[in-house]
Amino acid sequence: GAGVSQSPSNKVTEKGKDVELRCDPISGHTALYWYRQSLGQGLEFLIYFQGNSAPDKSGLPSDRFSAERTGGSVSTLTIQRTQQEDSAVYLCASSLLGYEQFFGPGTRLTVL
Amino acid sequence: DQQVKQNSPSLSVQEGRISILNCDYTNSMFDYFLWYKKYPAEGPTFLISISSIKDKNEDGRFTVFLNKSAKHLSLHIVPSQPGDSAVYFCAARGGADGLTFGKGTHLIIQP
Repeated sequence: GAGVSQSPSNKVTEKGKDVELRCDPISGHTALYWYRQSLGQGLEFLIYFQGNSAPDKSGLPSDRFSAERTGGSVSTLTIQRTQQEDSAVYLCASSLLGYEQFFGPGTRLTVL
Repeated sequence: DQQVKQNSPSLSVQEGRISILNCDYTNSMFDYFLWYKKYPAEGPTFLISISSIKDKNEDGRFTVFLNKSAKHLSLHIVPSQPGDSAVYFCAARGGADGLTFGKGTHLIIQP
């Protein structure tokens, strides 16, 4: 079956612009996670959706970051007024049982 | 403050030998630990996991050991193969949010 997909695979934007990153989780997976990996850093947890519950936004680095999950499936991560420090690979993962997470290929964001 | 630490950024091992990747954690609430493998330009893929009620889990060439008193876990790969060259992330879970990852160890298998 299809794995987690993300789009775009690469995004180059200018400082101050808004960007939207999309994640299509594995069908039937109730949990969806966003992470990012900055250069030389580990994976940093951003936000977590579980079913219809309110998302856990504890990892979002600032109020410029927001995410939605429509219909319990597709998720969009939005970064407003992008800054150069937002440059990173943004990874989406989904899981069924809440433990083993399956990751997408990531979106490489470059803010000039 | 890093709750999951992988102190070796890189490790070089000869093909056929044992690779040992180490991970330390500080949060005693973590109850489940995972290892992920990541190739360049790809997302991490799940490798092996261990619950805090166990001290060892084995899957083929991969074995994970957990020492709860030392808050330490390790991944053993034996025998190491060229395709094992990748970045390995240790991750821990405790509570309802996402996983907490270490910074990764780049394993290089030399022929």
